[in-house]
Amino acid sequence: AQTVTQSQPEMSVQEAETVTLSCTYDTSENNYYLFWYKQPPSRQMILVIRQEAYKQQNATENRFSVNFQKAAKSFSLKISDSQLGDTAMYFCAFMKYNYGQNFVFGPGTRLSVLP
Amino acid sequence: DTAVSQTPKYLVTQMGNDKSIKCEQNLGHDTMYWYKQDSKKFLKIMFSYNNKELIINETVPNRFSPKSPDKAHLNLHINSLELGDSAVYFCASSRRLGVEQFFGPGTRLTVL
Repeated sequence: AQTVTQSQPEMSVQEAETVTLSCTYDTSENNYYLFWYKQPPSRQMILVIRQEAYKQQNATENRFSVNFQKAAKSFSLKISDSQLGDTAMYFCAFMKYNYGQNFVFGPGTRLSVLP
Repeated sequence: DTAVSQTPKYLVTQMGNDKSIKCEQNLGHDTMYWYKQDSKKFLKIMFSYNNKELIINETVPNRFSPKSPDKAHLNLHINSLELGDSAVYFCASSRRLGVEQFFGPGTRLTVL
């Protein structure tokens, strides 16, 4: 079974600074997807970024980028120029290619952006 | 123009009651899901329907029964509610299996 680990339960960062959230996973699969979801206090789950395992290039979405290390099974999220609105729980998630039953979330990292 | 909606957003009820949570998506997606998020924020998949067929049924008590009248709706019915059922329940949908999911706003269920 796949597992997803986020070793930082809580983090904080000053506004405009850069922060990196770590995620590691365990799988024997070769094809899969990785995601970062954000859950602000409003509770809404919002997709931040996704990465296909077969792509070597790291995904980027504006201020959000990932460092995907397939051999190390690591998938960290970097947030540049942090904004107050980035304050949220961040969940790393793994999904086996084309099989929704292997959609597994990590325990989450609570990020606070400080003014 | 909400993509995935859930009703109600808050549900407070007594132990032993039966309740339902409704979910609707207007994205034209084929696959819908129910997740439970406990008090420690841990998210766990409960059910998934693809084209109205149940394809994932994780180990949840059989007091929980999903119903999908059509591709756009996936309702969750819970019988004989227990204290441990208190959680936030999220509905989600995806275009098909294996791609990113869009989540509803969640339903906070409190069992007294």
